[in-house]
Amino acid sequence: DIQMTQSPSFLSASVGDRVTLSCKASQNINKYLAWYQQKLGEAPKLLIYNANSLQTGIPSRFSGSGSGTDFTLTISSLQPEDVATYFCLQHNSWLTFGSGTKLEIK
Amino acid sequence: QVQLQQSGAELTKPGSSVKISCKASGYTFTSYDISWIKQRPGQALEWIGAINPGSGGTGYNEKFKGKATLTVDKSSSTAFMQLSSLTPEDTAVYYCARVLAYWGQGTLVTVSS
Repeated sequence: DIQMTQSPSFLSASVGDRVTLSCKASQNINKYLAWYQQKLGEAPKLLIYNANSLQTGIPSRFSGSGSGTDFTLTISSLQPEDVATYFCLQHNSWLTFGSGTKLEIK
Repeated sequence: QVQLQQSGAELTKPGSSVKISCKASGYTFTSYDISWIKQRPGQALEWIGAINPGSGGTGYNEKFKGKATLTVDKSSSTAFMQLSSLTPEDTAVYYCARVLAYWGQGTLVTVSS
């Protein structure tokens, strides 16, 4: 089974900061990696697919990079509405989610 | 537009079973797999399994074999997940999803005596 390790598990940053979240796969998943945002009480929302493709309707301050085993989600300028938990998902072999990064405003 | 509408919250007793539904609309139901995902309070997401509505073929996370059974009714474009031998550890929100982009609103299952 493919394991997904996210870091950090918790992040506090200021409005306007550049924020970087990490997701590492236990084996090569090519670019079959998606990023989700989940706000309290809501279903996850797709932000990024195929490691670096921005989902329609998602603000351009969100971007993704990486391939193989190491992936990154970057928020170029943190906004108050970005407070949420962020999950990565590999879909190279069935599905495995990362454990999440909880993002708060300092 | 693609929509997945899940059934309402369930309160069940330990040892019982529950069947939750996910009604799809806005696309050809038999053309895309439906996955089911578990989320315990404050916890990460866990993939339970997936079903191909066209063939009925299924795949399960080893952890959920024997716990979850996935079925579909093509006539109503509805996917179902039955959870058996429920324990308090099965208390969670369960989502259906047409991965990657389309998710149901979630169904809260509470197992309590």
